[in-house]
Amino acid sequence: DTEVTQTPKHLVMGMTNKKSLKCEQHMGHRAMYWYKQKAKKPPELMFVYSYEKLSINESVPSRFSPECPNSSLLNLHLHALQPEDSALYLCASSHLGQGLYGYTFGSGTRLTVV
Amino acid sequence: GQQLNQSPQSMFIQEGEDVSMNCTSSSIFNTWLWYKQDPGEGPVLLIALYKAGELTSNGRLTAQFGITRKDSFLNISASIPSDVGIYFCAGRNSGNTPLVFGKGTRLSVIA
Repeated sequence: DTEVTQTPKHLVMGMTNKKSLKCEQHMGHRAMYWYKQKAKKPPELMFVYSYEKLSINESVPSRFSPECPNSSLLNLHLHALQPEDSALYLCASSHLGQGLYGYTFGSGTRLTVV
Repeated sequence: GQQLNQSPQSMFIQEGEDVSMNCTSSSIFNTWLWYKQDPGEGPVLLIALYKAGELTSNGRLTAQFGITRKDSFLNISASIPSDVGIYFCAGRNSGNTPLVFGKGTRLSVIA
């Protein structure tokens, strides 16, 4: 299995809703990432998990709450979002360690906040 | 922080033409990656480069890791309509640092 699977593919939520984005990989990757991508822009790093521990938080507002329950799963919990948070949310994974590896990305969740 | 300058920003070419795009960095990278992204999808890895001077091909795509370790280019030969999309370069300087992305090159192919 060489894929990163993200669900749901599309999500529309109100500003008072609580929702979660899910990401799963079975490639044995021990690093997992959340990115936010606005239209016509490159992906922007939000969070990095290394060995299931949060290692990087790029000053993301607390209305985004990541969680890594095990080495294959990564969640992003959303609460009280703003319309400007509408974007494509991408999950990625990679190996860690001395080797230099590329990331494998999922297809993303298209989030619309209304 | 590290920044990647990717050019051109966009390209309009005729089907069958060759394409070249490049990325330069303000600092040294140990890995250069080239991704393609179709609308509504995640980036897909095209070519990964791990050594300075390395030249790697994937079908009609060829990419090189610059010998200064601060640049890379991607060439596409004999473009076809399905080459349309956004191409991103990305780099990292160790196995434990996050990727840095270029701003992308939007490629349009006119049949």
